[in-house]
Amino acid sequence: GQQVMQIPQYQHVQEGEDFTTYCNSSTTLSNIQWYKQRPGGHPVFLIQLVKSGEVKKQKRLTFQFGEAKKNSSLHITATQTTDVGTYFCAGPRNSGNTPLVFGKGTRLSVIA
Amino acid sequence: DTGVSQDPRHKITKRGQNVTFRCDPISEHNRLYWYRQTLGQGPEFLTYFQNEAQLEKSRLLSDRFSAERPKGSFSTLEIQRTEQGDSAMYLCASSLAGAGYTFGSGTRLTVV
Repeated sequence: GQQVMQIPQYQHVQEGEDFTTYCNSSTTLSNIQWYKQRPGGHPVFLIQLVKSGEVKKQKRLTFQFGEAKKNSSLHITATQTTDVGTYFCAGPRNSGNTPLVFGKGTRLSVIA
Repeated sequence: DTGVSQDPRHKITKRGQNVTFRCDPISEHNRLYWYRQTLGQGPEFLTYFQNEAQLEKSRLLSDRFSAERPKGSFSTLEIQRTEQGDSAMYLCASSLAGAGYTFGSGTRLTVV
């Protein structure tokens, strides 16, 4: 079945440094979504990307969907302690609007 | 209330007992999902509903697990004859088809 892989598994950065997490799918995706889970919390939806090569920005966060629609990235500029958490990417299990398969996530720690 | 509610927040049960969890989704959302999450992992798909119809159930889900969504409103997830391996966070989410998920705070199950 469809698999979603994320790297790195962990990332420790100094506050103010940039951070990037990468997501790769074994199959072409109709869309990809990103979620953030704070320690002790539940996943919170950040964004959905649909078009090949799409780039979207949310303040210091930049999301990109690959041209082949099999990979994606999340880049955070000048990290802050509020960015701490685990970032998950997720894509539909099959074609269309089927339930999401989540990656294992990238856990971000920010050292003040 | 505009969020997804789950009850109870925590459940400790003895091995072999049955447990039932409840999820109240966002009322405008026609899709409801159950996921399970263990430490250091991403959410793992269990089953989902569109309105009152259960459309898909994970092949990983044993026959001890059953879910219902009567009248397309709230949903229940029952685990019969619990085992220690069932210990996890059980997450409910709702969405409109093709949109991002809104997760509840989860029910943390501990089987002793």
